[in-house]
Amino acid sequence: EAAVTQSPRSKVAVTGGKVTLSCHQTNNHDYMYWYRQDTGHGLRLIHYSYVADSTEKGDIPDGYKASRPSQENFSLILELASLSQTAVYFCASSGTNYAEQFFGPGTRLTVL
Amino acid sequence: TQTVSQSDAHVTVFEGDSVELRCNYSYGGSIYLSWYIQHHGHGLQFLLKYYSGNPVVQGVNGFEAEFSKSDSSFHLRKASVHWSDSAVYFCAVSEGGGSNAKLTFGKGTKLSVKS
Repeated sequence: EAAVTQSPRSKVAVTGGKVTLSCHQTNNHDYMYWYRQDTGHGLRLIHYSYVADSTEKGDIPDGYKASRPSQENFSLILELASLSQTAVYFCASSGTNYAEQFFGPGTRLTVL
Repeated sequence: TQTVSQSDAHVTVFEGDSVELRCNYSYGGSIYLSWYIQHHGHGLQFLLKYYSGNPVVQGVNGFEAEFSKSDSSFHLRKASVHWSDSAVYFCAVSEGGGSNAKLTFGKGTKLSVKS
């Protein structure tokens, strides 16, 4: 059974609309992360969290918000989706050995 | 600011060949180094990591990596590749803990294994 799940797996959104991507983990991990993947850029960190009710900015946080209501759940929110946010988004979790992260299957987001 | 460089965007080998995927980093302090694999259409899977001790670390499926402080490198190797090793490989570096617990990834190397 998958330990990190994401929903939805794919989504088409309109420019200016609100998008919420959800992530759930059953690893009992404290750390959770949101990355985006674009061709030629590898993975870039958007937001992360190491405790419930607290989030940290990653390397590319502009245009994104994050929410960590519980240890198991971590959401990524695009308040005003833009064309440039079309990408594949990955959620991951880790224990204190944060060099070893467990990734979800990804969400393909297309903004039109 | 730490950076990770994977100089080869694409590597092609034949089944049974050995392969080395290169990774160089720039950072002056204590860091964790790791490698991940991504098969097409899937999320990343952890392969191996290094922090200290023996500079050669073993991972899953016959992969190993060697850390070199003098070269600032952490190259991934496999002695005999299989067609199922075709994937994109990412090198990553991380530092610290708490609010610094994050990975910086290289841009990836796509490995194609021909039969």
